[in-house]
Amino acid sequence: DTGVSQNPRHKITKRGQNVTFRCDPISEHNRLYWYRQTLGQGPEFLTYFQNEAQLEKSRLLSDRFSAERPKGSFSTLEIQRTEQGDSAMYLCASRRQGNTEAFFGQGTRLTVV
Amino acid sequence: GENVEQHPSTLSVQEGDSAVIKCTYSDSASNYFPWYKQELGKRPQLIIDIRSNVGEKKDQRIAVTLNKTAKHFSLHITETQPEDSAVYFCAASTDAGNMLTFGGGTRLMVKP
Repeated sequence: DTGVSQNPRHKITKRGQNVTFRCDPISEHNRLYWYRQTLGQGPEFLTYFQNEAQLEKSRLLSDRFSAERPKGSFSTLEIQRTEQGDSAMYLCASRRQGNTEAFFGQGTRLTVV
Repeated sequence: GENVEQHPSTLSVQEGDSAVIKCTYSDSASNYFPWYKQELGKRPQLIIDIRSNVGEKKDQRIAVTLNKTAKHFSLHITETQPEDSAVYFCAASTDAGNMLTFGGGTRLMVKP
């Protein structure tokens, strides 16, 4: 499968625990994006990388959230001290630089209990 | 920042009828407008996109129109089929970063 891959697909965690998600983009795509989607809403931008550099972060990304893309390939999104309000689908997308199609992964559904 | 509004939030049509979904955007710097289809539990998939130097684009039963002056764009689906039933999202982006700002989505139901 040469598409965007996200792991795990589902994660259930207790409030206060830390969680980490992984995204493997399409190999030649230098831009990688994280979005959050809650039920019945459109995806909301969280942050993006150009190669290994994190170039922008949304106001939605509180200091409990951190993202990395250490070698400009896969990326991780960590949420510390999870809260029930963090329950959502976390989507990763990748694209080549420029206004070209963004390809989405299948997402990681996080449930905080 | 950019704000994208999408209407209607739900749309029910008979098979074979046309469906139209409308979006407005606020940032005049936006120059790329994709439409995504998302089936239940699946990833958003691009169905058509349009750039700001074009007023209309068509791909078989799907067309998108863009009015830059009024800052709105629309998705038109003709001869709808039950498999068109899904949630459709419009989005907008600029050259700076190309991150997408999505509308709230339209749940399209095509009744056989």
